[in-house]
Amino acid sequence: QIQLVQSGPELKKPGESVKISCKASGYTFTDYAMHWVKQAPGKGLKWMGWINTYTGKPTYADDFKGRFVFSLEASASTANLQISNLKNEDTATYFCARVAAIPFDYWGQGVMVTVSS
Amino acid sequence: DVVLTQTPPTLSATIGQSVSISCRSSQSLLHSNGNTYLNWLLQRPGQPPQLLIYLVSRLESGVPNRFSGSGSGTDFTLKISGVEAEDLGVYYCVQSTHAPWTFGGGTKLELK
Repeated sequence: QIQLVQSGPELKKPGESVKISCKASGYTFTDYAMHWVKQAPGKGLKWMGWINTYTGKPTYADDFKGRFVFSLEASASTANLQISNLKNEDTATYFCARVAAIPFDYWGQGVMVTVSS
Repeated sequence: DVVLTQTPPTLSATIGQSVSISCRSSQSLLHSNGNTYLNWLLQRPGQPPQLLIYLVSRLESGVPNRFSGSGSGTDFTLKISGVEAEDLGVYYCVQSTHAPWTFGGGTKLELK
């Protein structure tokens, strides 16, 4: 069955970096784009951008340009999100979700990233 | 950026009641290709969101047909015909016509 399985929760200090993974299974990885969505504690959903899983080209929403990097390990059907120079406001749950003709039909379970000194 | 305004922010309902959620866009969501990319998601407590409706009114596979979507241009509605306990959570509209994609602020459906 189709699954997006994300890595486990992270506790980091300000200024550190974190890398979150999203492993896809049950479908052809390169047939679907992978999007990333942020949800701060008790808040709504915010679109971060997406990566073309065929070409590897990332596209970032304006608020996520600079410290955020989308990447792929295509041979492992995995999409990654790396955040550098972590700030307190990066504390959130980060979701991956696949998109093609039908958007957001499958989601990862989410990864809670806590940034605290 | 396109702003999606959802109303009401909170909705109290009894089991079996029919309810509607509005999503209004700051600009038309009609794409030049003729499609309108307005979708609805439900996020149950502690869970990732799940897709309910895409392209305004198309029901995602496996979603009960008590959910329906309608609208055009800038005004859209999600209707639940007969709320069930499993429907409780936060509903979001999301547009994918214009970059960047944007979400509405959410509507929390609670039991009265």
